[in-house]
Amino acid sequence: GDSVTQMEGPVTLSEEAFLTINCTYTATGYPSLFWYVQYPGEGLQLLLKATKADDKGSNKGFEATYRKETTSFHLEKGSVQVSDSAVYFCALKGGAQKLVFGQGTRLTINP
Amino acid sequence: EAGVVQSPRYKIIEKKQPVAFWCNPISGHNTLYWYLQNLGQGPELLIRYENEEAVDDSQLPKDRFSAERLKGVDSTLKIQPAELGDSAVYLCASSLNPLKASGANVLTFGAGSRLTVL
Repeated sequence: GDSVTQMEGPVTLSEEAFLTINCTYTATGYPSLFWYVQYPGEGLQLLLKATKADDKGSNKGFEATYRKETTSFHLEKGSVQVSDSAVYFCALKGGAQKLVFGQGTRLTINP
Repeated sequence: EAGVVQSPRYKIIEKKQPVAFWCNPISGHNTLYWYLQNLGQGPELLIRYENEEAVDDSQLPKDRFSAERLKGVDSTLKIQPAELGDSAVYLCASSLNPLKASGANVLTFGAGSRLTVL
């Protein structure tokens, strides 16, 4: 079945550092790919998405490119802020219309 | 616009007691999902509704869990009796009908209901 594997956390960085959170997937067909973020005490929020190969999703300085050849959708940000501290989930939606999540990566940014 | 509304936010019960969670999706969203999120894990789908029909309930433990969406809007998820291992966050999400929406069908999540079973 469809699955998502994320870089294990927790990840701790200093403010203004470069961020990469790796995500790879296994799916039949051509899934849509997502990054969701969960801030402390809040629900899951969509951060960005990509629907086809080579698409780049972006939002709030975060970017991720749909790489079909490597089945990856790595999340990047050039300069992180303390307010980016949260848990980040990579997810895919395939033909079954079911959103499948990775296990999440906890990110902590220190001032 | 109001988002997906869930209640209660927190619930503490003793094992073997029943518990119910309520979800009001975004207006106009035909598809409703219940997800289970264990501590430190990603959410896992329990059940998906298209209007009032449960179209995917393969992951719902039917011996103790039940769900309904009688009028195709609000939904209730029930556990009876609850077990210690049911302690988790229960998330509700909604989206437009995937067969009618163009592009990626984005789910909008509620804040979740955190259950603690003692």
